[in-house]
Amino acid sequence: AQSVSQHNHHVILSEAASLELGCNYSYGGTVNLFWYVQYPGQHLQLLLKYFSGDPLVKGIKGFEAEFIKSKFSFNLRKPSVQWSDTAEYFCAVNFGGSGTYKYIFGTGTRLKVLA
Amino acid sequence: DTEVTQTPKHLVMGMTNKKSLKCEQHMGHRAMYWYKQKAKKPPELMFVYSYEKLSINESVPSRFSPECPNSSLLNLHLHALQPEDSALYLCASSQGAWTGSSGNTIYFGEGSWLTVV
Repeated sequence: AQSVSQHNHHVILSEAASLELGCNYSYGGTVNLFWYVQYPGQHLQLLLKYFSGDPLVKGIKGFEAEFIKSKFSFNLRKPSVQWSDTAEYFCAVNFGGSGTYKYIFGTGTRLKVLA
Repeated sequence: DTEVTQTPKHLVMGMTNKKSLKCEQHMGHRAMYWYKQKAKKPPELMFVYSYEKLSINESVPSRFSPECPNSSLLNLHLHALQPEDSALYLCASSQGAWTGSSGNTIYFGEGSWLTVV
């Protein structure tokens, strides 16, 4: 079955620390990969996405992610976090190739950045 | 700002009420989605409409009834809900047909907070 896993459920960092959040999926076919952020009380916002090409993608707010096909991973990184990055981060995968619209979300990682 | 608009933002309804959630997008997208999100949980797919036809129903109880009047509008009709149905209901849209290397980004609205009493 297709699934998306995020192993870090809660992460606490101090400002200026580096961030890496893991995302793995189980599927050997064509996928589109996304990271969304949800600030407290707000809606989901797209941080970045990968469709094809350069496996290192850059998103908004200084975030980037690297697609490693051999590891079925799409980890999110930020060199130096800020207090305003406190939020919940969701990895999502669109398991495509056959026109499916099924986007599956990981369980989310709750990030708290201490000022 | 999101280009997917949802109304109402907040709704409180009794278990015998009938109400509707509405969603609108003007991005020319041909796929529209309803997701349900409980607190501290990821969004769960409920329904997908593709080109105004129901494409996916994730075994959602019949007390939730989706409707897609046209390519820009998506409704979710609610009837005889249970308190456990209280959640954030998210509408989303994407371009439509799988576009291969171009991908298919899904854009979310701000959601409708539903409380069933």
